[in-house]
Amino acid sequence: AQKVTQAQTEISVVEKEDVTLDCVYETRDTTYYLFWYKQPPSGELVFLIRRNSFDEQNEISGRYSWNFQKSTSSFNFTITASQVVDSAVYFCALSEAGYSTLTFGKGTMLLVSP
Amino acid sequence: NAGVTQTPKFRILKIGQSMTLQCAQDMNHNYMYWYRQDPGMGLKLIYYSVGAGITDKGEVPNGYNVSRSTTEDFPLRLELAAPSQTSVYFCASSYNGGSNQPQHFGDGTRLSIL
Repeated sequence: AQKVTQAQTEISVVEKEDVTLDCVYETRDTTYYLFWYKQPPSGELVFLIRRNSFDEQNEISGRYSWNFQKSTSSFNFTITASQVVDSAVYFCALSEAGYSTLTFGKGTMLLVSP
Repeated sequence: NAGVTQTPKFRILKIGQSMTLQCAQDMNHNYMYWYRQDPGMGLKLIYYSVGAGITDKGEVPNGYNVSRSTTEDFPLRLELAAPSQTSVYFCASSYNGGSNQPQHFGDGTRLSIL
């Protein structure tokens, strides 16, 4: 069975600090996909990134970066120089090959104060 | 660019009442999903559909029903509302449902059962 664990329930930082959100997953499949979604205070869910299990290259998009390590079953998300607008709940999710459904972690609430 | 549209945005029901949460997408997506989000619990899959006329249960289907008569619409019905169904409900869609496809979410329906 697949499982996603986001052990950090809530993180508080001051603006301009770097912050890393942890995601650990469990799956028996060798082919799977990992996702990060952002849920700002307004409530909608915004897709951030998708990574497949065969691509362990780290990815950077502006202030966002993702570190995928199969050896530790982790897919961590780092925000560099955080801003107040980054305040949101962030969800990590997993989808196994052949299945269209997502398994979500419980989310990490990030609070960035000025 | 409507994307996934959910109605209503808010609703209060009395115990035992029934209602239908509407979901429509205009992206010609085959796959559609219903999730519920409870505080601190992430998103859990209620039902999903791989195309018109085809639906399947997710992790938490009890107390809900769905139908998919068209590609665009995927309504979720609560027959006998119970306090345990107080939650935020999200509808999502994806193009072909492949495990590598990101899901696009509506803005959610906040439902309270009193």
